[in-house]
Amino acid sequence: AQSVTQLGSHVSVSEGALVLLRCNYSSSVPPYLFWYVQYPNQGLQLLLKYTSAATLVKGINGFEAEFKKSETSFHLTKPSAHMSDAAEYFCAVSEGGNTPLVFGKGTRLSVIA
Amino acid sequence: GAVVSQHPSRVICKSGTSVKIECRSLDFQATTMFWYRQFPKQSLMLMATSNEGSKATYEQGVEKDKFLINHASLTLSTLTVTSAHPEDSSFYICSASILQQTQYFGPGTRLLVL
Repeated sequence: AQSVTQLGSHVSVSEGALVLLRCNYSSSVPPYLFWYVQYPNQGLQLLLKYTSAATLVKGINGFEAEFKKSETSFHLTKPSAHMSDAAEYFCAVSEGGNTPLVFGKGTRLSVIA
Repeated sequence: GAVVSQHPSRVICKSGTSVKIECRSLDFQATTMFWYRQFPKQSLMLMATSNEGSKATYEQGVEKDKFLINHASLTLSTLTVTSAHPEDSSFYICSASILQQTQYFGPGTRLLVL
């Protein structure tokens, strides 16, 4: 069975500071990994995905994530936070193909002016 | 590209009535659609997986007779909450995937049962 653990249900950073959202996964097969962002009362928007190609994945809005197999991690980073980055972020894992996503519990990012 | 719509975005109904939620992939044909439920300040919980032309696969604990899923075409799946009760109030989100595995999510439907 697959699972995702997101460390920190709430992360607060100052505008312009580094954003680091942590995600660790568990999977018995090579995983497909995703980060999604959700704004209030909206669906999920894909930020980036890892599908066994390059371990450093660049996404939209300046976000990137690095797949580290030895650490079973897929942390999300952004060098400089913007106020518009304030949202809920979900890390997810799947086995590939058309298998369902297993989501972490989410991390709420607050950006302080 | 890869836009998924849901209708309605918000619905309020009386206890005991049925509510239908539509999920459409607007610019692609989705081989598989998924239905999720999200409670306030919580993560998404998969309810069922739906493939076009076949019966949906429900997750453990999800009542298939209460949450009816129909996937009539490669661009449309519907979720009907039958005999809705207040505890069914939630945010329902669908997603659609194509062969590249990435799931594209709809904007969600907020259901409030009075």
